[in-house]
Amino acid sequence: QVQLVESGGGVVQPGRSLRLSCAASGFTFSSYAMHWVRQAPGKGLEWVAVISYDGSNKDYADSVKGRFTISRDNSKNTLYLQMNSLRAEDTAMYYCARAQTETTRLDVWGKGTTVTVSS
Amino acid sequence: QSVLTQPPSVSAAPGQKVTISCSGSSSNIGNNYVSWYQQLPGTAPKLLIYDNNKRPSGIPDRFSDSKSGTSATLGITGLQTGDEADYYCGAWDSSLSGVVFGGGTRLTVL
Repeated sequence: QVQLVESGGGVVQPGRSLRLSCAASGFTFSSYAMHWVRQAPGKGLEWVAVISYDGSNKDYADSVKGRFTISRDNSKNTLYLQMNSLRAEDTAMYYCARAQTETTRLDVWGKGTTVTVSS
Repeated sequence: QSVLTQPPSVSAAPGQKVTISCSGSSSNIGNNYVSWYQQLPGTAPKLLIYDNNKRPSGIPDRFSDSKSGTSATLGITGLQTGDEADYYCGAWDSSLSGVVFGGGTRLTVL
């Protein structure tokens, strides 16, 4: 079945780095755009970044631009989010989600991985 | 402050109908498709409605949406206690080059 499984979350100090992964299965990963969306505790959804099916196009929310990098390895069916210079306000559940193209609906979501930025 | 505006909460009795509004602008709802997501307590969001009232497999026709100009509305009929969840609207924003979400609406089935 179609599945997305995030990993790599944890507790990290402000200013440090963390890399999240999203393993895809049950569909042709290389045919889909992929997003990262986060949700701070008790808050709503916040879009983070998107990457096209072949990795040639990437877009970021202003809140993470210059600090986060989205990437993918289609040979490994895996999506990544490299997070540098982490701040307390980056504390959230991070979800990866699939989309037909960068601008269309997010039709499959993972269960999420938790990132806590704290000293 | 979310780019799309939703009411924080709505409530209705079992069996009744409820609507949730989502207001945006020409750069998002006005010129792009709207999607609605349901987030049950403690779970990940799930796609509920997309592209002018299309439903993924398994979503009952009790859920519907409509769009007029820069606003969209989610409708849920025959409310059940299992519908209690947070509901989010979302759309691509052509000016921001990213997805924008509403702040979410908590549905309580009394």
